[in-house]
Amino acid sequence: ETGVTQSPTHLIKTRGQQVTLRCSSQSGHNTVSWYQQALGQGPQFIFQYYREEENGRGNFPPRFSGLQFPNYSSELNVNALELDDSALYLCASRGGYTDTQYFGPGTRLTVL
Amino acid sequence: KNQVEQSPQSLIILEGKNCTLQCNYTVSPFSNLRWYKQDTGRGPVSLTIMTFSENTKSNGRYTATLDADTKQSSLHITASQLSDSASYICVVSPMFSGGYNKLIFGAGTRLAVHP
Repeated sequence: ETGVTQSPTHLIKTRGQQVTLRCSSQSGHNTVSWYQQALGQGPQFIFQYYREEENGRGNFPPRFSGLQFPNYSSELNVNALELDDSALYLCASRGGYTDTQYFGPGTRLTVL
Repeated sequence: KNQVEQSPQSLIILEGKNCTLQCNYTVSPFSNLRWYKQDTGRGPVSLTIMTFSENTKSNGRYTATLDADTKQSSLHITASQLSDSASYICVVSPMFSGGYNKLIFGAGTRLAVHP
């Protein structure tokens, strides 16, 4: 176990709806990254938060947004869901001087 | 073009056999290259990490090699076990990523170990 937890485990939504995914970082980790992993593909970087501020973003539209809280837990929000948003969403935390990221188990999102 | 390419896409081997997975990358310069193991429906777990100046790193039955000149890495699994069945992902961290820890993932090799 990596100490990173995510909720919910699975989620089914319909096109056009909004969704919020949650991540609890490993204790002491102040940086969290979110990734989208389509079936059979490697994870794609969405964005990263450091001490409650976004400090890096991949090629994802603005309808993907996030938050990091003072306790370093995090949320990923996706508005106006599209069928292609169906994927495994992973969060990863790291802290201190290491650049090793510890991944959570992921949330499987299905958009119908 | 994907900056990290892995081969084969999938592989089936018998329990107890060895296998080697390949990773070719174009990311340059890079600070480190990692191999992750991802069980189905789970998050990736780090197996090895090598800086650009290292050429081999072992973790139990897993041995990773790196040739920075040819921009190739391999992951060798010795005496495979059923629990080795998973996807193995090669991940490269660019040297200059704009101040944040951007990782570039390959698509992975799906390994199935049969009894």
